[in-house]
Amino acid sequence: EAGVVQSPRYKIIEKKQPVAFWCNPISGHNTLYWYLQNLGQGPELLIRYENEEAVDDSQLPKDRFSAERLKGVDSTLKIQPAELGDSAVYLCASSLLAGGRDTQYFGPGTRLTVL
Amino acid sequence: GENVEQHPSTLSVQEGDSAVIKCTYSDSASNYFPWYKQELGKGPQLIIDIRSNVGEKKDQRIAVTLNKTAKHFSLHITETQPEDSAVYFCAAAVGGYKLSFGAGTTVTVRA
Repeated sequence: EAGVVQSPRYKIIEKKQPVAFWCNPISGHNTLYWYLQNLGQGPELLIRYENEEAVDDSQLPKDRFSAERLKGVDSTLKIQPAELGDSAVYLCASSLLAGGRDTQYFGPGTRLTVL
Repeated sequence: GENVEQHPSTLSVQEGDSAVIKCTYSDSASNYFPWYKQELGKGPQLIIDIRSNVGEKKDQRIAVTLNKTAKHFSLHITETQPEDSAVYFCAAAVGGYKLSFGAGTTVTVRA
C-alpha cells in the first residue's frame, strides 16, 4: 500500500514569493491534515479536512496561507507571500476514519527554505 | 489548549540497554497518547499508542505506560539496537485527532 505522497520534497524561494505544496493521501483515507514542523520541535496542526470540508482551520494563518482539497482526495497548501519565518517542514498526514479516531499516517514532508 | 512536555531532549544509550522517555500533559480531558518515531528526512511514524482506559501497552521491545492521575506517560524501549536511533515524539489529544506534540527526544544508540 502506497503511503502519503508529498511534493516537492524540497523548495527554496525568496521572500515575498508564492509557494505551493501538494499532498496525495493514502487511498480511501477520508481525513487529511497539514502540519508545520519547525526545526527541533514537534509538528503543529494547521488544518484538518474531512473529505472536502475544512473542519478545523483555527491554526491556519489565513492572511497568507490557504488550502484546498478538491474532490476530497488530493490537497494543496499555499503560502503567498512567503516570509523568512515560514522556513520549516510542511507535513501532510491522513487517516481512514472521520472524526479523527484513527491513526494518522504522515508523509515525508516538504522542506521549505525562504531566503 | 493542551501542553505536552517531553524529557529528556537527548538520550544516548549503549546497545542492548533500555531507553525511557517521559511526557507530561496538561489537559485532563486528553484520552489518546501516541508515540511517533522520526528518522532523518522522513515523516513521523506511529510506533505505539495508548488510550486512557488502558494503563500499559506492550509491543515486542516497546512499551508505553500511562498515569492519568499524575498526567504523565512514558515510552520504554528495551534491548536497544542501532536502528532505534531516531527522534521520538510523544503526543496527546482529546478525542483523537488534534494531536499536541512534545518537542522530541533524540535517541542515539551506541554500538
